[in-house]
Amino acid sequence: DQQVKQNSPSLSVQEGRISILNCDYTNSMFDYFLWYKKYPAEGPTFLISISSIKDKNEDGRFTVFLNKSAKHLSLHIVPSQPGDSAVYFCAARAFSGNTGKLIFGQGTTLQVKP
Amino acid sequence: ETGVTQSPTHLIKTRGQQVTLRCSSQSGHNTVSWYQQALGQGPQFIFQYYREEENGRGNFPPRFSGLQFPNYSSELNVNALELDDSALYLCASSVHSEKLFFGSGTQLSVL
Repeated sequence: DQQVKQNSPSLSVQEGRISILNCDYTNSMFDYFLWYKKYPAEGPTFLISISSIKDKNEDGRFTVFLNKSAKHLSLHIVPSQPGDSAVYFCAARAFSGNTGKLIFGQGTTLQVKP
Repeated sequence: ETGVTQSPTHLIKTRGQQVTLRCSSQSGHNTVSWYQQALGQGPQFIFQYYREEENGRGNFPPRFSGLQFPNYSSELNVNALELDDSALYLCASSVHSEKLFFGSGTQLSVL
């Protein structure tokens, strides 16, 4: 049962344009959502997060939008740069008792062309 | 401030063997989590340690076990290795369950 889904395995955009990465989830009990970026041979790096009580969070070129009614999350990168080329994972936090664990999507590979 | 470090970076084992992976937490972080990332998939939660005790576990069999030490470093042990255990193993540290900071991982190959 895939509770967090990234339905686009890959995305290619031109440098300077907007990149939009999407994520859908099924569990309405998720309370916190995060985006991670991963380069080859490195661990995932935290990018931006959003609490379930908000619908938007912005940090520089990165904005995350949360639509709770649609159970949909998106990451906007504006403007996109070649250094943004990486695999992007969305993740949702679920609690079991006192333990918070992250449930990850399968990832979307972003390629930003110069 | 040092980040999360994992060792070794790569490991090759034979089916049936046992393996121990190590992780040093980021300074000030008291919670360690381990994730398994199979090729083409997102990381999957194995378990979490807080104050040297396991306080949460994902859908992994008991042959996956771990330890957390007083300095918050951690080990992941896998017994009776199977071919499907081949994956990237990621350690992450955090303060309680806030955002996780990951190490670069250990790439395990089981032949």
